[in-house]
Amino acid sequence: GESVGLHLPTLSVQEGDNSIINCAYSNSASDYFIWYKQESGKGPQFIIDIRSNMDKRQGQRVTVLLNKTVKHLSLQIAATQPGDSAVYFCAENPPAYGQNFVFGPGTRLSVLP
Amino acid sequence: DSGVTQTPKHLITATGQRVTLRCSPRSGDLSVYWYQQSLDQGLQFLIQYYNGEERAKGNILERFSAQQFPDLHSELNLSSLELGDSALYFCASSLRTQGDTQYFGPGTRLTVL
Repeated sequence: GESVGLHLPTLSVQEGDNSIINCAYSNSASDYFIWYKQESGKGPQFIIDIRSNMDKRQGQRVTVLLNKTVKHLSLQIAATQPGDSAVYFCAENPPAYGQNFVFGPGTRLSVLP
Repeated sequence: DSGVTQTPKHLITATGQRVTLRCSPRSGDLSVYWYQQSLDQGLQFLIQYYNGEERAKGNILERFSAQQFPDLHSELNLSSLELGDSALYFCASSLRTQGDTQYFGPGTRLTVL
């Protein structure tokens, strides 16, 4: 698997700009997806979720887009703030019994002043 | 604060030893999940318990075991510890089981010397 700490893809954005973090998921039958934010030294924190019967869902300053055709998920953060600096993980939920969420390798978001 | 608690926050021990990590789920949640997060492997699912019974198993070593008690708290036991077991161990909980949002605790950082 990919390294979380040393070799994460990194996205650097200017404070106030919009951020787009992408995720490719693996199972075309997955029916539920979550974005988590993990700050240094803390546990993953739920941001927003989306079910497979939707293409888009909006929260406060965040939007998740789901493209089932190409198995792609994206997280858009509006007006990025320094507090948004963290590692962002997508997670997919395969529908088969006994399977649990599969987490992507993560993307490190760095907000520049 | 997700409502999931984990103790201890930090644990330092020697190779060959055995440790127990503890997790209390959010009030009302029946499922508990254990994850290991290391620099080399990212966030890896270990095991899930639902209402006291093992529900799903991931990449959990035979040296590791877990249980969920009648009050729904869970313990992860790690034995014959090796240097490579050094990692962050997270517990998450969800209301029911597969497909429910998982909320993560703050984690236990295990260091094996």
